[in-house]
Amino acid sequence: EAQVTQNPRYLITVTGKKLTVTCSQNMNHEYMSWYRQDPGLGLRQIYYSMNVEVTDKGDVPEGYKVSRKEKRNFPLILESPSPNQTSLYFCASSLGGHPFSNQPQHFGDGTRLSIL
Amino acid sequence: GQQLNQSPQSMFIQEGEDVSMNCTSSSIFNTWLWYKQDPGEGPVLLIALYKAGELTSNGRLTAQFGITRKDSFLNISASIPSDVGIYFCAVSGYSTLTFGKGTMLLVSP
Repeated sequence: EAQVTQNPRYLITVTGKKLTVTCSQNMNHEYMSWYRQDPGLGLRQIYYSMNVEVTDKGDVPEGYKVSRKEKRNFPLILESPSPNQTSLYFCASSLGGHPFSNQPQHFGDGTRLSIL
Repeated sequence: GQQLNQSPQSMFIQEGEDVSMNCTSSSIFNTWLWYKQDPGEGPVLLIALYKAGELTSNGRLTAQFGITRKDSFLNISASIPSDVGIYFCAVSGYSTLTFGKGTMLLVSP
């Protein structure tokens, strides 16, 4: 089954404790992306990757890092999490080329992070 | 980033009613997308629009790409309880996707 898998689904942690949210897709997609969803703000893009070893900032990259060492994985790293990073996070992927031309973005089921 | 104005913010309707929501932008875009997010899940693409003036249907859903390329609307006909969720418009740049703030739809049986 084609899917985007995020882990963990839920995490409560404390300020300053480094954490990583993993994202894996099994569709051989070139494009992957991370979003955060906050009430009243919709989804905002954090980082994206057009292909292996190619990453770029989205609209709200501050406080986050990503890596794309292999095609299927795109982890989101919070080196020193802060309470304003409490949010619902989504990973997404789509086929290569122009990411949205006739190729829908497949979203994971989300990771809810609470930073105390 | 780009700003999309999506309205209404929320709607509470009776089963069987038709629904309309829209999205506007101050900038021109060549691709407009509509997504639905069910509770506890990620967004799922409903309709993609690639041409100004285009009208596209997907079952009971119809979406139009405005002729000015600065707006789009989504209609749902004969709503049913499973239409409940948050509907997002989105526009596509070369490598990024910008979402509206969403319309929450509640349907009463």
